[in-house]
Amino acid sequence: DQQVKQNSPSLSVQEGRISILNCDYTNSMFDYFLWYKKYPAEGPTFLISISSIKDKNEDGRFTVFLNKSAKHLSLHIVPSQPGDSAVYFCAARGLNSGGSNYKLTFGKGTLLTVNP
Amino acid sequence: DTEVTQTPKHLVMGMTNKKSLKCEQHMGHRAMYWYKQKAKKPPELMFVYSYEKLSINESVPSRFSPECPNSSLLNLHLHALQPEDSALYLCASSYYLGYEQYFGPGTRLTVT
Repeated sequence: DQQVKQNSPSLSVQEGRISILNCDYTNSMFDYFLWYKKYPAEGPTFLISISSIKDKNEDGRFTVFLNKSAKHLSLHIVPSQPGDSAVYFCAARGLNSGGSNYKLTFGKGTLLTVNP
Repeated sequence: DTEVTQTPKHLVMGMTNKKSLKCEQHMGHRAMYWYKQKAKKPPELMFVYSYEKLSINESVPSRFSPECPNSSLLNLHLHALQPEDSALYLCASSYYLGYEQYFGPGTRLTVT
């Protein structure tokens, strides 16, 4: 059962335009959401996060929006740069199956390509 | 220092070998994690240590054995692995369980 879904495996945008990456989740107990960026042959890099009590968090060119009623979040990158080309993972924090500790559940990732 | 380091970068081992992966962080983080990542898949949690105690074991086969000698170090001991265990093994750390995790570059493991 995939609790965090990134339905677009890839996205291509022009440099300078907006990139919008989407993520849906099914578990209403998730309380914290994160976005990670991953270049090939490197570990994921933390980008930005949002608590379930907020609907927006902004950090420079990156903004994350959370719509709890729709169980949907999105990452906006404005303006997009060629160096942003990477795989973007959405992750959600929730209790593990034992109900005692938090773990992150990752989506499958979206490959963003920003063309010069 | 905001870095998680992992050694070795690459490892090739036979099915009868015993090897270890090492992870280190000096950010004062109290939680450390092992993940396994296959190509074109998301990271898959294996183990979590919190305050040097094993907190989560995601039903990982016993041929993978984690160890946390101190708050800065995390090892993953490997024995009698199968070719399907070939993957990128990622270490991560966070201030506490459930906080933002910072990942190392990974160890690319190939089992022959």
